[in-house]
Amino acid sequence: ETGVTQSPTHLIKTRGQQVTLRCSSQSGHNTVSWYQQALGQGPQFIFQYYREEENGRGNFPPRFSGLQFPNYSSELNVNALELDDSALYLCASSKGLAGGELFFGEGSRLTVL
Amino acid sequence: GESVGLHLPTLSVQEGDNSIINCAYSNSASDYFIWYKQESGKGPQFIIDIRSNMDKRQGQRVTVLLNKTVKHLSLQIAATQPGDSAVYFCAEVTNFGNEKLTFGTGTRLTIIP
Repeated sequence: ETGVTQSPTHLIKTRGQQVTLRCSSQSGHNTVSWYQQALGQGPQFIFQYYREEENGRGNFPPRFSGLQFPNYSSELNVNALELDDSALYLCASSKGLAGGELFFGEGSRLTVL
Repeated sequence: GESVGLHLPTLSVQEGDNSIINCAYSNSASDYFIWYKQESGKGPQFIIDIRSNMDKRQGQRVTVLLNKTVKHLSLQIAATQPGDSAVYFCAEVTNFGNEKLTFGTGTRLTIIP
């Protein structure tokens, strides 16, 4: 148990729909990062939030957006879903930006039909 | 560009034997490396890390070796146990300040009883 919780654990959407995934960070952690993991691949960095501000973004289109709340929980929103968005979405929290250990949640598995 | 690759996608080891998982990276600017273990249906779990000013670091039953000359790192697991069966990823950090991890595709380690 890492103390990072994600919801929902599984969901199915159709192309063109929108989805919101949620993450509660570990107590005391103010940084949340989101990763996309396609089947059989390593996780790919989407973006990171530090103290409610985006702090770095990977090669993902603008239809991937996020938020971080004052309690440091976070949301990942994906608009206009495409089939290739089917993946495991992982949230990781950490304490600050000093290269500390990332603690991953169990992920939200999104299937787009 | 940045890439982290693994030499072998699968590895089978007899229980009790030692295993070695290899990883090559291409970004010479990377200065922090982490090994993660991912069991089926779970998020990645931190195993061990190493900074570029070191060439070896030991944990409990695990050792990470870093060879900056050839941009290679390895994870050695001693006296393997059935619970070591998982996918192992190496990841590199090239930008302290946003902790973006670049993951490889992973090596599936299977421990044979």
